[in-house]
Amino acid sequence: AQSVTQLDSQVPVFEEAPVELRCNYSSSVSVYLFWYVQYPNQGLQLLLKYLSGSTLVKGINGFEAEFNKSQTSFHLRKPSVHISDTAEYFCAVSEAGAGSYQLTFGKGTKLSVIP
Amino acid sequence: DAGVIQSPRHEVTEMGQEVTLRCKPISGHNSLFWYRQTMMRGLELLIYFNNNVPIDDSGMPEDRFSAKMPNASFSTLKIQPSEPRDSAVYFCASSSTGGAGNTIYFGEGSWLTVV
Repeated sequence: AQSVTQLDSQVPVFEEAPVELRCNYSSSVSVYLFWYVQYPNQGLQLLLKYLSGSTLVKGINGFEAEFNKSQTSFHLRKPSVHISDTAEYFCAVSEAGAGSYQLTFGKGTKLSVIP
Repeated sequence: DAGVIQSPRHEVTEMGQEVTLRCKPISGHNSLFWYRQTMMRGLELLIYFNNNVPIDDSGMPEDRFSAKMPNASFSTLKIQPSEPRDSAVYFCASSSTGGAGNTIYFGEGSWLTVV
C-alpha cells in the first residue's frame, strides 16, 4: 500500500513570490506521482505527473515538480505565483504498472496568494 | 469538449431519504471512478468500474451505498437510507484506461448535505 503526506495544510504567499508545496510518499514498490489542483467549488484538475524518465516534470500554469527517489519526495514549485493560483493542491501516488488504478491522495495544501 | 458531467450539483435531503447521484463520463473513456471528499478523511475511492463492470468496490462504506453502470455513458451512486455522516462531496471521474498512469478527469462534484 502507498501513503502520501503533505506537510503543510496551508501556505500563504505573496503575489509574484516563489512557492514550494511539499509532498512525501511511502511505498514498497515503484510509483507514479501526481499533483492535482482544486479551485473553489470545482473538481480536481491534473497539474502534472511523473511516470518515468526525467525527474523534473513540468506541468500546466507554470508549475513543476521534482521526483526524488532517495528522499521519497515530489515537491511542487512555481517561481512566481499569481492570485489565480489560489486553490487547494493535492499530491497523489499510485503503484506503477499497467494494471494499477488506485490513486492515494494526500490531505491537500491550501495555497493562498496574497496581493 | 464536454468533461465529466455530474448531477445534481447540490442536494440537501433529510435523514432516511434515498439519494441518487448521476454521472456521465467523457465519451470514449472506459474507466469510471466514484470518490468521496470530506474534511476528515480527504479523498477516498469508493468504487472503480472498467468497461461497465465493477472491479473494486472495497471503498464503499456499507450496504447503504450502491453503484451501477448500466452502459458506457452513465453511472449512478445511490445511498439508501441516507445519514448525516454521508454529507460530503461526491466526485465522479473517468479515464481512457484503468491504468493509473493515465490522466483521470474529474467532474465538478455533487455536494450532498443530509440533515
